[in-house]
Amino acid sequence: ILNVEQSPQSLHVQEGDSTNFTCSFPSSNFYALHWYRWETAKSPEALFVMTLNGDEKKKGRISATLNTKEGYSYLYIKGSQPEDSATYLCAFNTGNQFYFGTGTSLTVIP
Amino acid sequence: DVKVTQSSRYLVKRTGEKVFLECVQDMDHENMFWYRQDPGLGLRLIYFSYDVKMKEKGDIPEGYSVSREKKERFSLILESASTNQTSMYLCASSLSGYGGTEAFFGQGTRLTVV
Repeated sequence: ILNVEQSPQSLHVQEGDSTNFTCSFPSSNFYALHWYRWETAKSPEALFVMTLNGDEKKKGRISATLNTKEGYSYLYIKGSQPEDSATYLCAFNTGNQFYFGTGTSLTVIP
Repeated sequence: DVKVTQSSRYLVKRTGEKVFLECVQDMDHENMFWYRQDPGLGLRLIYFSYDVKMKEKGDIPEGYSVSREKKERFSLILESASTNQTSMYLCASSLSGYGGTEAFFGQGTRLTVV
């Protein structure tokens, strides 16, 4: 079992605040690091798939960085909105398997 | 629009029953997965399959079996349901290959064993 850790476990922020979460993963046998957003009553959906050390990806107000040598990724949300409220999962991909962290639950307060 | 469909959103079963959870994907993906999600534990892999009739145990296979007779369908079987199998079950699929292929998830089945 590979250990993928996410912090914090939960977060409450005010609308307009910027926030970030961390995903830590093993630095060996790395193929990709995925970020997913999981909204209540919906399926998890992929935000980013990152494969190269130093990768930075952006989608609107959300961005992510990747450091494979030290085994961490950051997810940033700029100017949080209530619709950003969800659980954010990271997944370490070793090829055909995904190892998920326990997620960060974000609540954005209007 | 890509789709992974799980047969039931909610299920209530009795202890000792045999339970089938069905998952169908329409994306011609080679890989399919069954996870369970419990509070504080995240998504844990039960079984996965990388081809028809192929299966591999995940981290928590005890009490479960799977069947993949066709590429698009992956079934999770609880041979004799127990209360500790009450959980949210998620099916996912992905293309074969290393690294860059995201997983697509079904809507989940919330199973309660009484």
